[in-house]
Amino acid sequence: GAGVSQTPSNKVTEKGKYVELRCDPISGHTALYWYRQSLGQGPEFLIYFQGTGAADDSGLPNDRFFAVRPEGSVSTLKIQRTERGDSAVYLCASSSSGGRMPQYFGPGTRLLVL
Amino acid sequence: GESVGLHLPTLSVQEGDNSIINCAYSNSASDYFIWYKQESGKGPQFIIDIRSNMDKRQGQRVTVLLNKTVKHLSLQIAATQPGDSAVYFCAENPFNAGGTSYGKLTFGQGTILTVHP
Repeated sequence: GAGVSQTPSNKVTEKGKYVELRCDPISGHTALYWYRQSLGQGPEFLIYFQGTGAADDSGLPNDRFFAVRPEGSVSTLKIQRTERGDSAVYLCASSSSGGRMPQYFGPGTRLLVL
Repeated sequence: GESVGLHLPTLSVQEGDNSIINCAYSNSASDYFIWYKQESGKGPQFIIDIRSNMDKRQGQRVTVLLNKTVKHLSLQIAATQPGDSAVYFCAENPFNAGGTSYGKLTFGQGTILTVHP
């Protein structure tokens, strides 16, 4: 079956612009996670959805970051007034139910803020 | 703060050898662990997982060992192949403050595995 997909694969934007990153999880997976990975580091947790609701957004760095999952499937990570420090790979993962279940990652969106 | 770390940042082996990648964790509340393989330009790929009520789990060519006494996790790869070359991450899933566990993974820095033909 299809894995987690993310679009766009690459995004170049200018400082101050708004960007949206999309994640399409594995069909039927209720849990969805966003992580951010900087070069040479492991992924860092941003936000977790169970169904349509954000169960934990404690990893979002500030209020410029926001994510939604209105129908419990596709999720969009939104970044306002982008800064150069936002440049990273944004990874999405899904799992069948959250908790102690494997998370399957998408290929990521490489964001570069100039 | 508590974190997951790796003893060896790089590991070079010959094709056909067995590889062992180590990981130390410090959060005694972690109850679930996952190993991921990440190739350049790709997302992390699930390899194998283990729950804290187990000390060993085997998959195809891979074995994960968990020693809760010393908070140590290892990934063993048998008959390592050039295609195994990648960065390997261990990740832990701790209970949150409310006592539930929902998959907020904490990753280590990773170990670079290079397999020479």
